[in-house]
Amino acid sequence: GQQVMQIPQYQHVQEGEDFTTYCNSSTTLSNIQWYKQRPGGHPVFLIQLVKSGEVKKQKRLTFQFGEAKKNSSLHITATQTTDVGTYFCAGPMNRDDKIIFGKGTRLHILP
Amino acid sequence: EAQVTQNPRYLITVTGKKLTVTCSQNMNHEYMSWYRQDPGLGLRQIYYSMNVEVTDKGDVPEGYKVSRKEKRNFPLILESPSPNQTSLYFCASSSGQGAAGANVLTFGAGSRLTVL
Repeated sequence: GQQVMQIPQYQHVQEGEDFTTYCNSSTTLSNIQWYKQRPGGHPVFLIQLVKSGEVKKQKRLTFQFGEAKKNSSLHITATQTTDVGTYFCAGPMNRDDKIIFGKGTRLHILP
Repeated sequence: EAQVTQNPRYLITVTGKKLTVTCSQNMNHEYMSWYRQDPGLGLRQIYYSMNVEVTDKGDVPEGYKVSRKEKRNFPLILESPSPNQTSLYFCASSSGQGAAGANVLTFGAGSRLTVL
């Protein structure tokens, strides 16, 4: 079936280092969304990308949507302790807009 | 405040004792969905609903039921809970109208269920 794959599953970085998580879909997506879940919390929407090749920035976070609309990435520059959490990508599948999530990338920041 | 409210937040129960996790949203959203979250498996969709009286199975529907009699409510029913249903459950909703931004999900705070 349709899948959204996300790598890596875990990432440990020193505070101040950069971090990137990658998302790949088995099918073309109409849009892709990114969510962040803090430890003990619930997923919170970060951003949505719609256009092929789209790049959006939120302060230290840079989001990209691939030209073929089948992959995406989230890059964090100079990580801070507040970036700790799990980052999920998600995309609508089928005509029903059923939203499927990747398994997420858990980011740990080493002080 | 626009929100998705789940109850209970925490529940410990025993095998076979029917339970219902309620979910209510105050945003007039058409789309609602239930996910379970387990370590290493991410968020897996249980059931979703595109509108009132319309429900569809997600990826892991076995052992669960849902209903959508009103737009705002989408309860998750475990008729005969088993230990493998011990998990963290999230309800989510979106306006779901297909336009860009319309399918962005708002999540509830989560319900942690333990089945002994």
